[in-house]
Amino acid sequence: LAKTTQPISMDSYEGQEVNITCSHNNIATNDYITWYQQFPSQGPRFIIQGYKTKVTNEVASLFIPADRKSSTLSLPRVSLSDTAVYYCLVGAPRNNAGNMLTFGGGTRLMVKP
Amino acid sequence: SAVISQKPSRDICQRGTSLTIQCQVDSQVTMMFWYRQQPGQSLTLIATANQGSEATYESGFVIDKFPISRPNLTFSTLTVSNMSPEDSSIYLCSVVPAGGGYEQYFGPGTRLTVT
Repeated sequence: LAKTTQPISMDSYEGQEVNITCSHNNIATNDYITWYQQFPSQGPRFIIQGYKTKVTNEVASLFIPADRKSSTLSLPRVSLSDTAVYYCLVGAPRNNAGNMLTFGGGTRLMVKP
Repeated sequence: SAVISQKPSRDICQRGTSLTIQCQVDSQVTMMFWYRQQPGQSLTLIATANQGSEATYESGFVIDKFPISRPNLTFSTLTVSNMSPEDSSIYLCSVVPAGGGYEQYFGPGTRLTVT
């Protein structure tokens, strides 16, 4: 069962790039790495997902080294509205075979003006 | 993506009673899950709601305590049975849309307080 480790909290300022790293030493071959954002009193929101190397979408980039034992979520030019908890999830939903979906403890990002 | 609604959004219940939480999706999905999130904590997977068969429970969660139904591809219920104050938590359902990748989409959650 892949266990993930993230920093508990991070502070940043508006306009800066923020990088949040997640460690997952026991990641399995079939596991994907997914990041979610959660605001208070809301369910998590999907940000980005990857398997290896680099993935980029309109809101973030995800860097995964060759050994896949860690991953880094990169948020370019953060704003106050990016203040949230960010979760790293390692695993992949598998039909009828149980699910090894392990959420990390989450990183509480505070963006300051 | 998928739009997910949950009912009720919150409830306050007395110990020993049961509460059934509903999760409705606006499109057919391949997989549905139920999570629990205690205040200030991360999410813990309770079970996978399988359509037409018994749910698959994670370690530490049992069917007698958290019976789950999934009668079709867009609807599921989670019952929290014989509640105690330790069951006070936020319960979330999530789905993996058909034809997509492995990303999950979450409902808004049901905030349960047991007194």
